[in-house]
Amino acid sequence: QKEVEQDPGPLSVPEGAIVSLNCTYSNSAFQYFMWYRQYSRKGPELLMYTYSSGNKEDGRFTAQVDKSSKYISLFIRDSQPSDSATYLCASTGWGKLQFGAGTQVVVTP
Amino acid sequence: KAGVTQTPRYLIKTRGQQVTLSCSPISGHRSVSWYQQTPGQGLQFLFEYFSETQRNKGNFPGRFSGRQFSNSRSEMNVSTLELGDSALYLCATTTVGAGANVLTFGAGSRLTVL
Repeated sequence: QKEVEQDPGPLSVPEGAIVSLNCTYSNSAFQYFMWYRQYSRKGPELLMYTYSSGNKEDGRFTAQVDKSSKYISLFIRDSQPSDSATYLCASTGWGKLQFGAGTQVVVTP
Repeated sequence: KAGVTQTPRYLIKTRGQQVTLSCSPISGHRSVSWYQQTPGQGLQFLFEYFSETQRNKGNFPGRFSGRQFSNSRSEMNVSTLELGDSALYLCATTTVGAGANVLTFGAGSRLTVL
């Protein structure tokens, strides 16, 4: 079993909708949580970075971590066609990053 | 400053051949990690190099190897290619964020094995 589980999708939403992405993790030692965005034919790029539990907001993006349930979420408000990409969650304690499989998001105009 | 550069971007090989992929990290960065990305398995860690030394290794067969040069450029080699080696191979350098390592990826080398 992978240490970080993520539904691969695809997830299709209309423009302007809220995109909700989720991951679960199994390692209680994980304290750092990240979301990467990967456009087609590109490498992943860091989108959000959080430490421990709580929320972090950056523009239209909100990352949430609930360590009690080992649940990681990313919300995208007012989604745009340019948000169409694969979103990968990642977690680590002090070792190397463990990645989820990535969720493909398609925002339709 | 320039990001992580990977060459070649696309290549096609046949079973049994070998392939060498190259990665130039961000200037001044000495850590290079390699990942294999496939639709079924997602991102899988291959190995990490720091100052020419392999620091970590993932769970891949010995056909997968790598090295790092004194200028921090890295190469990975896959020998005796199999169909299942078709994947996007990503190179990344590491930046220490607020406590954890943050990876900056290159665009990848897409390998197709026929």
